Amino acid sequence: DQQVKQNSPSLSVQEGRISILNCDYTNSMFDYFLWYKKYPAEGPTFLISISSIKDKNEDGRFTVFLNKSAKHLSLHIVPSQPGDSAVYFCAASRRHGDDKIIFGKGTRLHILP
Amino acid sequence: DAGVIQSPRHEVTEMGQEVTLRCKPISGHDYLFWYRQTMMRGLELLIYFNNNVPIDDSGMPEDRFSAKMPNASFSTLKIQPSEPRDSAVYFCASSLRQRAFFGQGTRLTVV
Repeated sequence: DQQVKQNSPSLSVQEGRISILNCDYTNSMFDYFLWYKKYPAEGPTFLISISSIKDKNEDGRFTVFLNKSAKHLSLHIVPSQPGDSAVYFCAASRRHGDDKIIFGKGTRLHILP
Repeated sequence: DAGVIQSPRHEVTEMGQEVTLRCKPISGHDYLFWYRQTMMRGLELLIYFNNNVPIDDSGMPEDRFSAKMPNASFSTLKIQPSEPRDSAVYFCASSLRQRAFFGQGTRLTVV
């Protein structure tokens, strides 16, 4: 049973527009959430994270929003750039629990010129 | 630090053969994770260690899979015997405070 779900396998966005990637989770014990970016033939790299005590975290063009009541988080990229084309993985963990990091299936983002 | 180092980068083997994947975590990290990436399941957690001790191996698909961490700087994932359905990219990651750093992965092809 997938505890972290990314229901959109792919997303295409025009360069310069906003990209919104969504993620849902089922385990209410998760208290720390992360987004990773992956290019072909490379390992995933950390992008941004958010603790469950916050509802928003911003880092440059990247913002993550957390809605605990809906068990939903989203990653916003503004403005989208060609180098943002990659697979994005959502992940969750229990910071005060067993510490394992569970990933979703990923969303492939295509930035169109 | 050179980051998480995995070897080999690519492995092609025949069905029934033993395969051993290797990982050197980042020095000082106390967690080590083994993941498998497939189209169907995304990044699937196989097993993870804390201070060299296996904590949760519930993601290991079958008894054909085993993992060890004999010391803080080395871990192996072994598949014996290998099957074509084991073909995937296997990632090792290490972390200190829940921010995992990944190696470049081993692409395994079992023919």
